[in-house]
Amino acid sequence: GPKVLQIPSHQIIDMGQMVTLNCDPVSNHLYFYWYKQILGQQMEFLVNFYNGKVMEKSKLFKDQFSVERPDGSYFTLKIQPTALEDSAVYFCASSLGGSSYEQYFGPGTRLTVL
Amino acid sequence: QQKVQQSPESLTVSEGAMASLNCTFSDRSSDNFRWYRQHSGKGLEVLVSIFSDGEKEEGSFTAHLNRASLHVFLHIREPQPSDSALYLCAVSHNAGAKLTFGGGTRLTVRP
Repeated sequence: GPKVLQIPSHQIIDMGQMVTLNCDPVSNHLYFYWYKQILGQQMEFLVNFYNGKVMEKSKLFKDQFSVERPDGSYFTLKIQPTALEDSAVYFCASSLGGSSYEQYFGPGTRLTVL
Repeated sequence: QQKVQQSPESLTVSEGAMASLNCTFSDRSSDNFRWYRQHSGKGLEVLVSIFSDGEKEEGSFTAHLNRASLHVFLHIREPQPSDSALYLCAVSHNAGAKLTFGGGTRLTVRP
């Protein structure tokens, strides 16, 4: 099926530093998502993004988080500054359309904040 | 707020024996129901999507939706050891695209 890539696969940083997680979505997809999965817990929605704008975000999407996709390049999640509780696997997904369309997921980026 | 729960947490079956997984949701206005699979260290693979009451088959996977009872089931016909993975149920609304996930059922298929 369609492939979503995520770079890097692992990232270890010190608390307070900035981190950018990169997602290469399926080429003709228009909707983009980030989900967060803390070890041993449920996958949770963070944010979705369409036409250059955040469409919906959850309460997990703190003020320190931001997303963008400049000029059709990577869809990025930036955390500045990071906190210990940001340690998790972050999954990117993309879809051609809204809710009735399939979301295709990347393999995840494991973020460890020390 | 939507709550999605899955049972059992873990399930072990022998190769070739039907596996049945259960998912319950709380919001009756939910419209879209999906089953995903996640092999260890990998991303999510969509297995089957269902949008109306009844059954939907995709290969060896059959989803069964009963909105009145707030249940969606996944049946796996003749599972193989390679089907051992974490199975996730995800629910969403037509009005919004965000998926609400259950906690997953870890399936082990013994040879």
